[in-house]
This record gives sequence, structure tokens and C-alpha cells, in this order.
Amino acid sequence: EIVLTQSPGTLSLSPGEGATLSCRASQTVSGSYLAWYQQKPGQAPRLLIYGASSRATGIPDRFSGSGSGTDFTLTISRLEPEDFAVYYCQQYGTSPYTFGQGTKLEI
Amino acid sequence: QVQLQESGPGLVKPSQTLSLTCTVSGGSINSGSYYWSWIRQPAGKGLEWIGRIYKSGNTNYNPSLKSRVTISVDTSKNQFSLMLSSVTAADTAVYYCAGDNWGWGWFDPWGQGTLVTVSS
Repeated sequence: EIVLTQSPGTLSLSPGEGATLSCRASQTVSGSYLAWYQQKPGQAPRLLIYGASSRATGIPDRFSGSGSGTDFTLTISRLEPEDFAVYYCQQYGTSPYTFGQGTKLEI
Repeated sequence: QVQLQESGPGLVKPSQTLSLTCTVSGGSINSGSYYWSWIRQPAGKGLEWIGRIYKSGNTNYNPSLKSRVTISVDTSKNQFSLMLSSVTAADTAVYYCAGDNWGWGWFDPWGQGTLVTVSS
């Protein structure tokens, strides 16, 4: 199975700053079939990005995704207070679908 | 829009079978627009995809759980279900059901999740 490694484990930033989250795959993610989710405590994950760079419905344009092959990035420009959460990447190019271990974005 | 709601026992004894149901509202399973998945998350840990089913009953399972998992669908009730046999404490987790649009593999929407604890 494809192992996804996210870095950093924790990212400490302030509102208004920009954030860059990394997701590295143990092998090529076919078709750039990579998604990003945001999860807040006690809530289900929320889809942000699919296809490595396509924003899901209703997601603000301060969230952007990029990358291909084995290296992917989620960028959040101008952090808002509600953006502080845990972020997961997920590959769906190869079964079984797998998730990264998460990056905690904290104030 | 489509909404999902998990239901089932919150406590299961070791060696028994965990059974959960996901009820779909705001849309029909028979529409074929989604594949339907189960995903779990142990407390404080990451997410694990368990498997998925289509309206036809075709399934795909995570090999790590395949020997113990059965996912089924009841289109008349607009529900799909998870059974996980021979559970241990390691199966304690929040279990989510989720929709996978046209089988692409990304998950939206999600249910709110239900905590299942395996303990005697």
C-alpha cells in the first residue's frame, strides 16, 4: 500500500500568516489522485482539495493544492482563526486508499 | 444535499461482531452517484479506510481488514452497513460512513461519526 508521510507534524503560526503543509508518498500517486481534508475536534473530516489542486465546493480560495508524483503541498494563505485544525492528505489512485498521519496547525 | 448518519451499539465485547448502519438522506443510493465507504479513526490517531460498496453490491475492502469485514447495502431502506468480526481493543475507534463521488475515491459527504468501544 502507499504510505503517505505528512510534515511537519505540528505547525505553529499566527492568523494572517501563510502555511505550507507537505505530503510525501512512498510511491507515485497515479493520476495525481490526492485529496486534502481539514478536521476540527469532535468533527468529521471536511474535504478541501481533490485531484491534487481542485477546490471542493464552498472552500475559500485561500486554500490551494499543488504537486504530482510523490510530492504534494497544501498552501493556506492569510490564515483565519477557523483554519487552525488538523489536516490530512489521502491518496485514491491505488487501492487501498490511504491517509497521512496528519499535520496539526496550531496558533 | 446528501447527508449521512451512522447508528449502532457504542459498546462491543471482545471477540464479538461490530455492526453499524449508515442511513442516507437527501438522495437515493439507487441513483448510483456514489460509492459508499466506511472509515475509522482511533482516538488521537489518523484515518483508516475500511472498504466501500456500490448500489449493485460490489465491494472493495482494505486487505488489512478484509478477512473480518463485510459491507452490505439495502437500497429499499437507503442504508448500507458494516460488520467487523472478532473485534479486539484495537478496533476501538470513531467509525465514519462517507460518500465517494462516482467512485473517484475522495470522500464527501461524511457522517458525523460514531464511537465504538471494544471492552468486556
